[in-house]
Amino acid sequence: EAEVAQSPRYKITEKSQAVAFWCDPISGHATLYWYRQILGQGPELLVQFQDESVVDDSQLPKDRFSAERLKGVDSTLKIQPAELGDSAMYLCASSFTWESDYNEQFFGPGTRLTVL
Amino acid sequence: DAKTTQPNSMESNEEEPVHLPCNHSTISGTDYIHWYRQLPSQGPEYVIHGLTSNVNNRMASLAIAEDRKSSTLILHRATLRDAAVYYCILRETGANNLFFGTGTRLTVIP
Repeated sequence: EAEVAQSPRYKITEKSQAVAFWCDPISGHATLYWYRQILGQGPELLVQFQDESVVDDSQLPKDRFSAERLKGVDSTLKIQPAELGDSAMYLCASSFTWESDYNEQFFGPGTRLTVL
Repeated sequence: DAKTTQPNSMESNEEEPVHLPCNHSTISGTDYIHWYRQLPSQGPEYVIHGLTSNVNNRMASLAIAEDRKSSTLILHRATLRDAAVYYCILRETGANNLFFGTGTRLTVIP
């Protein structure tokens, strides 16, 4: 069964350092999402791509976070510089499309970030 | 986004049915009701969704109140693998993301 791949699974960094997370969506899925999940809370959307274009990045802290999906396939989320409050699980999800009444999202296993 | 209200936690005995409630009194006519669950140390996974009629699939059933102000996710026979956080989400037609909330943590007792 096709899955969303993410790496690394775990990342420990010191504050003010740069970190990057990678996501490979299910083949053929045009829509890709990055979520952040703080311990004890539900995931919150950071950015959504349709192919290589950003559809929604209204909740992305653009002073330190950036995301790209250059060829409309895999994607990278970067944080520079990392802050203590960025410690969280970063989840990537993909769906066939978002412009329909049904767009089941498939999630990867996530990257657990710890900022010291 | 229209909000949902779920109990913080519930318990169920193994092999018993489980009814997970969700209130969504401000639901609009175009909002779909989605359920996802998140097993420990994993990303969320889709469970079921519906608009007005009750829905069944291999994982669960979704019962939607006639006024659509509440819904219930039904797991017919809980197993230990069903222990997870269950999220009830309203998704407006054409909307581009899911608002998860805090969900219900289901504990299954052997």
